[in-house]
Amino acid sequence: ILNVEQSPQSLHVQEGDSTNFTCSFPSSNFYALHWYRWETAKSPEALFVMTLNGDEKKKGRISATLNTKEGYSYLYIKGSQPEDSATYLCASSGNTGKLIFGQGTTLQVKP
Amino acid sequence: DTAVSQTPKYLVTQMGNDKSIKCEQNLGHDTMYWYKQDSKKFLKIMFSYNNKELIINETVPNRFSPKSPDKAHLNLHINSLELGDSAVYFCASSQATLMTGNTIYFGEGSWLTVV
Repeated sequence: ILNVEQSPQSLHVQEGDSTNFTCSFPSSNFYALHWYRWETAKSPEALFVMTLNGDEKKKGRISATLNTKEGYSYLYIKGSQPEDSATYLCASSGNTGKLIFGQGTTLQVKP
Repeated sequence: DTAVSQTPKYLVTQMGNDKSIKCEQNLGHDTMYWYKQDSKKFLKIMFSYNNKELIINETVPNRFSPKSPDKAHLNLHINSLELGDSAVYFCASSQATLMTGNTIYFGEGSWLTVV
């Protein structure tokens, strides 16, 4: 994998459903994996920065895991709420010091 | 108090004009960035400064010139604007370079429309 790829591109779920998205990134020269939450017309907001293989982080109902050997990260949202509706971006930084972003997964949670 | 602020938020200008977008961060960070959201909605790095020194300069036209008068400011000047420059430009900052796994903080974006 040469780029950061996210799937699915968009997702519609009902309030209360749990959901997860995938981020694939180049596993060579890996430094850190970032997850951001981005609401329209606002700044992307940092959720997690993960660096270690096997790392798991949690913030309220949102959690993320990291596999640096195979180059993927999962973001989980438990019991989705309408306020979780946003675009979730992942980005990988390697030894170039650049943050390479995926295209994002747009989540819509219906009440 | 906004951590990373950029002005103007919206800018509509004619082709051929020269314009600047200003960015300031009050987080005490050493590193600042300019990102461009391209037509496919990807955020792509344009420039990065660390302690007022240019450390990343992606392949952007030389009509784009960043200037960092001090650690807290990174301005983007664009000469001879073209239609294809229309995009959303995001300023960002981090405590140190991203090679140390630091969180990056974004401004709200500046919507540039060239007509």
